Amino acid sequence: KAGVTQTPRYLIKTRGQQVTLSCSPISGHRSVSWYQQTPGQGLQFLFEYFSETQRNKGNFPGRFSGRQFSNSRSEMNVSTLELGDSALYLCASSLRDSGNTIYFGEGSWLTVV
Amino acid sequence: GQQVMQIPQYQHVQEGEDFTTYCNSSTTLSNIQWYKQRPGGHPVFLIQLVKSGEVKKQKRLTFQFGEAKKNSSLHITATQTTDVGTYFCALGAGSYQLTFGKGTKLSVIP
Repeated sequence: KAGVTQTPRYLIKTRGQQVTLSCSPISGHRSVSWYQQTPGQGLQFLFEYFSETQRNKGNFPGRFSGRQFSNSRSEMNVSTLELGDSALYLCASSLRDSGNTIYFGEGSWLTVV
Repeated sequence: GQQVMQIPQYQHVQEGEDFTTYCNSSTTLSNIQWYKQRPGGHPVFLIQLVKSGEVKKQKRLTFQFGEAKKNSSLHITATQTTDVGTYFCALGAGSYQLTFGKGTKLSVIP
């Protein structure tokens, strides 16, 4: 069974640009969540989607947005990039809800210059 | 929201020594999860504890949930170089809005 797949794995963007990251969950998983990992702040929750609906959102500015498609694939978008957005962005999927193990993808390394 | 304090931040041990990391919360937790992240890798789920006083073992790893459900620990017996990585505890909320501790980075000196 394929794991959580994230693309692209590495990317470099310039301040002010926008970026879209993609996540394909494990087959059959309908819950997809996103996390940002930085050395200073650690792992922080961005948002979670289930059946194309955002159910929870973390404490991030509106520049961070996401969506989920009918096939459970998800994308997150960051607009007007800032240097501080440089981070590892991790996607995680689970079957349905609390009580199910979540599985992380390998992440997308974003560098903003 | 709920927060969790994880200590120590770093731990260097000789191969064969034991290692313990602790997570503490000021509020009662419904459950706690543990993850391991290898250098350059992604977090991998290890275990979830739900019951007060629960103790679970996975080979050389022992996980405990405090009686008051406000703290938890992960103990590794006789560390090996394969144990290197950062160990995180995480508080689970509905819809998997996990709140992670800062992690304990384990280095094992061969």
